[in-house]
Order: sequence, then structure tokens, then C-alpha cells
Amino acid sequence: DAKTTQPPSMDCAEGRAANLPCNHSTISGNEYVYWYRQIHSQGPQYIIHGLKNNETNEMASLIITEDRKSSTLILPHATLRDTAVYYCIVRPNQAGTALIFGKGTTLSVSS
Amino acid sequence: NAGVTQTPKFRVLKTGQSMTLLCAQDMNHEYMYWYRQDPGMGLRLIHYSVGEGTTAKGEVPDGYNVSRLKKQNFLLGLESAAPSQTSVYFCASTTLREALGAKNIQYFGAGTRLSVL
Repeated sequence: DAKTTQPPSMDCAEGRAANLPCNHSTISGNEYVYWYRQIHSQGPQYIIHGLKNNETNEMASLIITEDRKSSTLILPHATLRDTAVYYCIVRPNQAGTALIFGKGTTLSVSS
Repeated sequence: NAGVTQTPKFRVLKTGQSMTLLCAQDMNHEYMYWYRQDPGMGLRLIHYSVGEGTTAKGEVPDGYNVSRLKKQNFLLGLESAAPSQTSVYFCASTTLREALGAKNIQYFGAGTRLSVL
């Protein structure tokens, strides 16, 4: 069973920030939050991950609440090419552990 | 640097036929995975390998076999294809170093679209 809950779909205007929420209320202390996305049924692509601190890279920012029960992926300036299914995944920092994908959030960016 | 390459990209089988899907990675990764994705669903793990000569079952292993004779290749076999195996198959890999650390990034291939009639 997926350990995360995400809205099935979201819309965003091009150039605006896209904020994708994820609930993971049963997350354990050693589990990280990962975000992947899948464009047009291509293979999933890693975006960002975090444990408890907010993280930022060239693709996105990840905001994790202090109690770690939820997080938000932020795409600061969404483009049409960001239209994809976004997966929020929690997993332990343990060698070889596979990713458990839920149904994700379909983000539609329109002009 | 090709990354993770899957062959074939598309295949149509008749029920009962057999086939092998090939996954090749050129990144010297120790860990390799096979997932399947059905319409409107997330990916589900079929089998995985933590190194050459070793394999293990994932969430949905029935009807599939795998082999990892060479570090760079991970083969997924269907001995007797069934319509329920119609799906998109993805292969992924990651390094031991990344698997042991927090940055467990899995690199995915483009997928193999399989239809079993």
C-alpha cells in the first residue's frame, strides 16, 4: 500500500508557481520523502528528496512540515513541459529498497 | 552515455508465447529493478537485483522470471504470456553508493510496451 496521499489532479497557469501537496502521516523517523515525475508515459524522473529540512535544487523546492506528516513540492515557474504525473514517495534510507509508487498527481500546465 | 536502455520498445504477443525483455545500463550500477505500469496506475515492482548473479522478488513476481548474468544487463522473461501481462514495463538502476546513502536516485529506461492478445 502506498504510504502517501496526493490529489489526483491539479491545474496551473504557465509561469505561475505549482504547489503539489502530499500527505504522509505515518512516515517513520528514518524515512525520506522523494518526488519523481513521469512525462507522457516516459520513465519516471527524479526531482528532489528530503528528510526534515526544506530542500531546493535546479528543478524544484521541497517544503516538509515540522511534524513531517506532509510536504509540498514547488515548481516556481511552471512551463508547459512540466505537465506530468508527479509521485510523492516515502522510503527508508536502506540499501536496495524499491520505490513504491501510488497514483500520483496529474499536473496540467496551460498557457 | 546512454543510461538505461530497454529493448524492444514495443511488442505484441499471442497468449502462451514467450519472450525476454532486455535492460542494459552503462553506468556500472549494482542495483537494477523491473517495474510494470498498468493504465492509470503507479509502477509496481516485479523483481530486482542487488548485484550480478543475484535476484529477488518484488510485489508482483508471478508469471515472470529474471536473470542478471552480467552486471550491466537485467533480463525479464515471460515463459507463457497472458493477457493480464499487457502492460508497460520499466527498468531502473541505481548505484550501491546512492542506495546506501540518502540520495537513492533510480534512473529509468524509456519503457517497453507489451500487448498480449
